[in-house]
Amino acid sequence: EPEVTQTPSHQVTQMGQEVILRCVPISNHLYFYWYRQILGQKVEFLVSFYNNEISEKSEIFDDQFSVERPDGSNFTLKIRSTKLEDSAMYFCASSESRAGANYGYTFGSGTRLTVV
Amino acid sequence: AQSVTQLDSHVSVSEGTPVLLRCNYSSSYSPSLFWYVQHPNKGLQLLLKYTSAATLVKGINGFEAEFKKSETSFHLTKPSAHMSDAAEYFCVVSRGSYIPTFGRGTSLIVHP
Repeated sequence: EPEVTQTPSHQVTQMGQEVILRCVPISNHLYFYWYRQILGQKVEFLVSFYNNEISEKSEIFDDQFSVERPDGSNFTLKIRSTKLEDSAMYFCASSESRAGANYGYTFGSGTRLTVV
Repeated sequence: AQSVTQLDSHVSVSEGTPVLLRCNYSSSYSPSLFWYVQHPNKGLQLLLKYTSAATLVKGINGFEAEFKKSETSFHLTKPSAHMSDAAEYFCVVSRGSYIPTFGRGTSLIVHP
């Protein structure tokens, strides 16, 4: 069964450093998403991406965050200057259709980011 | 606007007994509804989905859910719990261009 692949599975970084989280969505999917889950809290939407541009973003997705699809297969989330409160599990997801109407959303296994 | 409420933060059952995880939604339009499961240190796995077809939806691992519009509910059930069902379960709602919204999650504990 097709999978969404995220790398790395764990990342430890120092406060103020830049990190890039990588995702390889399912190849025929057109819609891409990033979510995060702070330990013990709910899964929160960050951003959605379609046709090489951001389609929606939440209040969490401020200027320190950016996304891009650099080569047609990878989908990356960059955090420019990490803060302690960015420590969370970050999930990438993709869907074939808008709102996942046909087959739902496929999520990756997540990247656990720890900012020290 | 849309929202989803998972009524129980924890549910504890004995192995072999039925499971009921409750979810209520709010959506201005007919929603798409999903249940995802997250095992410890794992990603989110789709259990089942409702997208305006049959109201009783069967998923993987013996789980099913019934969409009840009059009650705005989409509760997840399983006739007989297994130890391997112990995990975090998320109810998710989306509709049209709305981004999927997650519930807070329900932790299912299964006792031997």
